[in-house]
Amino acid sequence: SSELTQDPAVSVALGQTVRITCQGDSLRSYYASWYQQKPGQAPVVVIYGKNNRPSGIPDRFSGSSSGDTASLTITGAQAEDEADYYCNSRDSSTNHWVFGGGTKLTVL
Amino acid sequence: QAQLVESGGGVVQPGRSLRLSCAASGFTFSTYAMHWVRQAPGKGLEWVAVISYDGSNKYYTDSVKGRLTISRDNSKNTLYLQMNSLRAEDTAVYYCARDLTISSENWFDPWGQGTLVTVPS
Repeated sequence: SSELTQDPAVSVALGQTVRITCQGDSLRSYYASWYQQKPGQAPVVVIYGKNNRPSGIPDRFSGSSSGDTASLTITGAQAEDEADYYCNSRDSSTNHWVFGGGTKLTVL
Repeated sequence: QAQLVESGGGVVQPGRSLRLSCAASGFTFSTYAMHWVRQAPGKGLEWVAVISYDGSNKYYTDSVKGRLTISRDNSKNTLYLQMNSLRAEDTAVYYCARDLTISSENWFDPWGQGTLVTVPS
């Protein structure tokens, strides 16, 4: 079965830029989608596809992809960006979906 | 706007059954595939199952095959998850989510607020 690998934790100084990465074979066929989850809340999509932001998501969130690695970048991180971030992708060979293990982002 | 509301969670003894529901509103439910995703306490997200827009295709993560069944009633705009032979490791918040796909771009939006299923060990 396919897997997506994320760093468990990342920290960033307030106002600085941080990149969260996600690696897995399924990313060679499907773009990753990225979800932000704050404590006690449901996940919310922040980036999907090549680099698309749903309405209401600040433009400091962006996405990129190369080979088997997808990245979520927050340019000018804010205190409210402190959350868990998960990548997700479809495995076209199995018609299954997979989430990365999640990255806990701390804004210092 | 599109909205999903789960219900049916609770405390259930090992080996027993439970059915979760997910009521959809604000969009044409019958034209979208739907997913169940779960999250064990303090753990990450785990994809559970998907059902096609018309219910003709269903796929499951390996750990739930044969015990959990996804279904839908498009006349009632409702998604279901029938959970049989429950185990302690099924304890989690269960979310439903709408599938959105455009070519090689796929994402889940919106998500419901989740419903907690607890299976004591």
